[in-house]
Amino acid sequence: DAEITQSPRHKITETGRQVTLACHQTWNHNNMFWYRQDLGHGLRLIHYSYGVQDTNKGEVSDGYSVSRSNTEDLPLTLESAASSQTSVYFCASSPGGSGRGKTQYFGPGTRLLVL
Amino acid sequence: AQKVTQAQTEISVVEKEDVTLDCVYETRDTTYYLFWYKQPPSGELVFLIRRNSFDEQNEISGRYSWNFQKSTSSFNFTITASQVVDSAVYFCALSEENQGGKLIFGQGTELSVKP
Repeated sequence: DAEITQSPRHKITETGRQVTLACHQTWNHNNMFWYRQDLGHGLRLIHYSYGVQDTNKGEVSDGYSVSRSNTEDLPLTLESAASSQTSVYFCASSPGGSGRGKTQYFGPGTRLLVL
Repeated sequence: AQKVTQAQTEISVVEKEDVTLDCVYETRDTTYYLFWYKQPPSGELVFLIRRNSFDEQNEISGRYSWNFQKSTSSFNFTITASQVVDSAVYFCALSEENQGGKLIFGQGTELSVKP
């Protein structure tokens, strides 16, 4: 069955380290998104991509980067991890061009703790 | 600006009670999409329903029903005869046509169904 996976599921790192969270989907969806979930803030958009070589900044993109070299993967990199980036990270994907109005399907999430 | 408000932070009911989760949205677009997601204690985000702005028909799926009213900018979710398995955080989300596929989430409502 087609699916969307994230790895690792749990990660502990230290302040200042570079961290990469993986997201892989087998639905062949053009659109992929990264969100973070924090208490009191719901889910907020970090970065998104409408296709290979396309990336865009979301609401809370500072300190994060993404790259899209193929359809299946959108890795999220924390350039220099900060304690404020302790959160649960969700990857999502949706079909179609530009994602307008399409349902997003979410991965299982990655819990990141920055000490 | 686009915004989703779920004023009920927590709701507690006893099994078999009916419960309504409120969602109020703000948008300037005439074409937009509304979603509900469920996040059970296991943490994943499960898609429940998608509704576009031109379809005000109410929807019923088993014990779940949704009431979309453009006049009051609301998209409320009712669970009939609640069960313990309905205990979860429920998120309402908005996607505007001219903002691509980006989702704006409400803060979520935590529903606790007690036996």
